[in-house]
Amino acid sequence: QKEVEQNSGPLSVPEGAIASLNCTYSDRVSQSFFWYRQYSGKSPELIMSIYSNGDKEDGRFTAQLNKASQYVSLLIRDSQPSDSATYLCAATQGGSEKLVFGKGMKLTVNP
Amino acid sequence: DGGITQSPKYLFRKEGQNVTLSCEQNLNHDAMYWYRQDPGQGLRLIYYSQIVNDFQKGDIAEGYSVSREKKESFPLTVTSAQKNPTAFYLCASSNTGFTEAFFGQGTRLTVV
Repeated sequence: QKEVEQNSGPLSVPEGAIASLNCTYSDRVSQSFFWYRQYSGKSPELIMSIYSNGDKEDGRFTAQLNKASQYVSLLIRDSQPSDSATYLCAATQGGSEKLVFGKGMKLTVNP
Repeated sequence: DGGITQSPKYLFRKEGQNVTLSCEQNLNHDAMYWYRQDPGQGLRLIYYSQIVNDFQKGDIAEGYSVSREKKESFPLTVTSAQKNPTAFYLCASSNTGFTEAFFGQGTRLTVV
């Protein structure tokens, strides 16, 4: 099992819809979880971090963490064409600073 | 301006040559990372360092080497032993304590 797994995608949603992105992780002692957005040809930019069980909201973005089930999700409300990008899930591993990423999910928001 | 600077942005090398990619940060971060990204793929960890003069192998360290002599700098050398070095290389840094990592602009390496 890979350390961090994301649905292979791609995901396509209409403008204004909710986009849901999911991620699972294998290391039960992982402590920190992150969502990054990467536009084509650019470097990843951090959009959300979450460290404890539950929901964390920031504008149109909501991150959800369930440590018992070992999954993290990202919801994007009122999706905009500018949200079209690849979304990467990341987690720290083994109680260390080792930060590993999933393969990413490409999201397209259609006008 | 605070941030992470990678240089150069584009790099071309002949097969069999070693090449060093630069990564400098002025964020006073303790941890630094190198990742490799191939087209349509996620980020794969090459090496990471939590403190000066110490670093650990990531998942794909073969054919690469690093040093961490200064807190601000974490250069990556792609050696001739790396069989398929053409890729997008990304450097990141973070504070210790499992906090957010921030990325430089990346270096696109092409080996011909």
